[in-house]
Amino acid sequence: QKEVEQDPGPLSVPEGAIVSLNCTYSNSAFQYFMWYRQYSRKGPELLMYTYSSGNKEDGRFTAQVDKSSKYISLFIRDSQPSDSATYLCAMSAGGAQKLVFGQGTRLTINP
Amino acid sequence: DTAVSQTPKYLVTQMGNDKSIKCEQNLGHDTMYWYKQDSKKFLKIMFSYNNKELIINETVPNRFSPKSPDKAHLNLHINSLELGDSAVYFCASSPGLVNEQFFGPGTRLTVL
Repeated sequence: QKEVEQDPGPLSVPEGAIVSLNCTYSNSAFQYFMWYRQYSRKGPELLMYTYSSGNKEDGRFTAQVDKSSKYISLFIRDSQPSDSATYLCAMSAGGAQKLVFGQGTRLTINP
Repeated sequence: DTAVSQTPKYLVTQMGNDKSIKCEQNLGHDTMYWYKQDSKKFLKIMFSYNNKELIINETVPNRFSPKSPDKAHLNLHINSLELGDSAVYFCASSPGLVNEQFFGPGTRLTVL
């Protein structure tokens, strides 16, 4: 079993829809949670960074962490074609511990 | 202006050759990383350096040798390249051991 599980998709939704992306994990020591966006043939770009449980909102993006369920989510409101990319969750126990990535979900927003 | 840069962007080489990839960051970060992303987009840490000291060394063949001449640079040398080494290699940096990591554009390595 992988430490971090993420459905690779692909996920295709119409423009304007609310998108929900999720990851589950098995390591209860994880306390730093991130979402990265990766466009085709580009490097991952940090979207959201949260510590421990709770919600964080930034514009059209909301990140949720539920440590009791070992489950994190990224919501995208009013999705745009420019949001089409692969979204990777990542998490770490902190300090010198490595960042563990999910496989990434490939998302397409159709105009 | 690029925060984390890598050279070359593309690298095509024959099996058995030795090659190097260079990484530089101008963010003033203390920690730098090398990742390998395979064809299924799975991104996996290889090495991490903090203030030029190796702190993470995952199960990587010893044909891969990182070198950090200073805090702003982390290079990756690969000896005796194999077909399975074909992947995209990403360099990243972060401020100290805080885990907000910033990635370079990647080096697409193809071994023939």
